[in-house]
Amino acid sequence: AQSVTQLGSHVSVSEGALVLLRCNYSSSVPPYLFWYVQYPNQGLQLLLKYTTGATLVKGINGFEAEFKKSETSFHLTKPSAHMSDAAEYFCAVRGSNYKLTFGKGTLLTVNP
Amino acid sequence: DVKVTQSSRYLVKRTGEKVFLECVQDMDHENMFWYRQDPGLGLRLIYFSYDVKMKEKGDIPEGYSVSREKKERFSLILESASTNQTSMYLCASTSGSGYEQYFGPGTRLTVT
Repeated sequence: AQSVTQLGSHVSVSEGALVLLRCNYSSSVPPYLFWYVQYPNQGLQLLLKYTTGATLVKGINGFEAEFKKSETSFHLTKPSAHMSDAAEYFCAVRGSNYKLTFGKGTLLTVNP
Repeated sequence: DVKVTQSSRYLVKRTGEKVFLECVQDMDHENMFWYRQDPGLGLRLIYFSYDVKMKEKGDIPEGYSVSREKKERFSLILESASTNQTSMYLCASTSGSGYEQYFGPGTRLTVT
């Protein structure tokens, strides 16, 4: 079985500051991991994914995440926050039958 | 680009009505999914389908049914809508060899 824990339902940063959104997972099989972003009243958009290979994964909009097997973590970072990054972010792990298990989401607020 | 469309962005229905939510994808994907999204709960899988006329229950199937008569179309049916089904409903699809899921824009359903 798979599960995802996102630490912090709400994260607030200043514009230009580091963004760090935390995700820990459990998986009974080698994990495929994803970060999605959701802007208000929209669907989910893929930010980045880890399948195999390089553990540091780069995505869109300057985000990246590092897969750490020993820590069962897949934290999302961005060096410098922009106002346009304000959104809700979801971490997910893929299980059998292509199903995704999502975390409960982290709402990112960016202050001017 | 993959496109997943949903028939309505906003829908208001009365208790007891039969409700149909339609989802269409244009990338010949085998797998399609219906989720509901509620604040603080993240996305929860209602049903998914891995082929035409094939379906499997997700984590919260009670009160819902689905139909997949054509590969590109996956319908979610609320047989008798209740107020606790007021939610955002998201459809997604993925190919048989793919990793990430592609999401539609969502339908915000209100049952009064």
